[in-house]
Amino acid sequence: AQSVAQPEDQVNVAEGNPLTVKCTYSVSGNPYLFWYVQYPNRGLQFLLKYITGDNLVKGSYGFEAEFNKSQTSFHLKKPSALVSDSALYFCAVRGMDTGRRALTFGSGTRLQVQP
Amino acid sequence: DGGITQSPKYLFRKEGQNVTLSCEQNLNHDAMYWYRQDPGQGLRLIYYSQIVNDFQKGDIAEGYSVSREKKESFPLTVTSAQKNPTAFYLCASSGPRQPNSPLHFGNGTRLTVT
Repeated sequence: AQSVAQPEDQVNVAEGNPLTVKCTYSVSGNPYLFWYVQYPNRGLQFLLKYITGDNLVKGSYGFEAEFNKSQTSFHLKKPSALVSDSALYFCAVRGMDTGRRALTFGSGTRLQVQP
Repeated sequence: DGGITQSPKYLFRKEGQNVTLSCEQNLNHDAMYWYRQDPGQGLRLIYYSQIVNDFQKGDIAEGYSVSREKKESFPLTVTSAQKNPTAFYLCASSGPRQPNSPLHFGNGTRLTVT
């Protein structure tokens, strides 16, 4: 069975500074990894997904994610944080060994960007 | 615009009553999903359906039921057997049968049972 760990409940960063939100995963076979963002009382918005062979994936709103196979990590990054980036971020994995197409989500990391 | 519509946005019920949450999509997606979100626990899968007239239990299906009579619709019933039904419920769908096909989410229904 697949699993995702987001070790930080909250990340605080000053506006203009780089940000990293951490994610590690466990899955049999090839990993299919995703990042989503959630604003209060809203659904999840897709940010980016891992593409096989690309260790640095670019996504929406200037976000990118770095895939590291040896560390089984898929950390979300942004070179310069904005106050409007403050939200809840989820990492997710799809494992294909069971044929189940549903995603397994981490517990989420709240990003707080201070002006 | 294509998307997923969940209704109502807020729902209040008395303990012991069944309640049905609506989810409709016009994305022409085959697969649909129901997740439950609780603070600090992320999203947990309740039920999913990969095709019309077929559905499977997810990780926390007890106390819930679903139907998939139409491609566009995947309603979730929270029964009185669900011990802790107060939560934020999210419906999602996905299109092409490719492993890196993302899920698309509705804006959720917040259910409060007292």
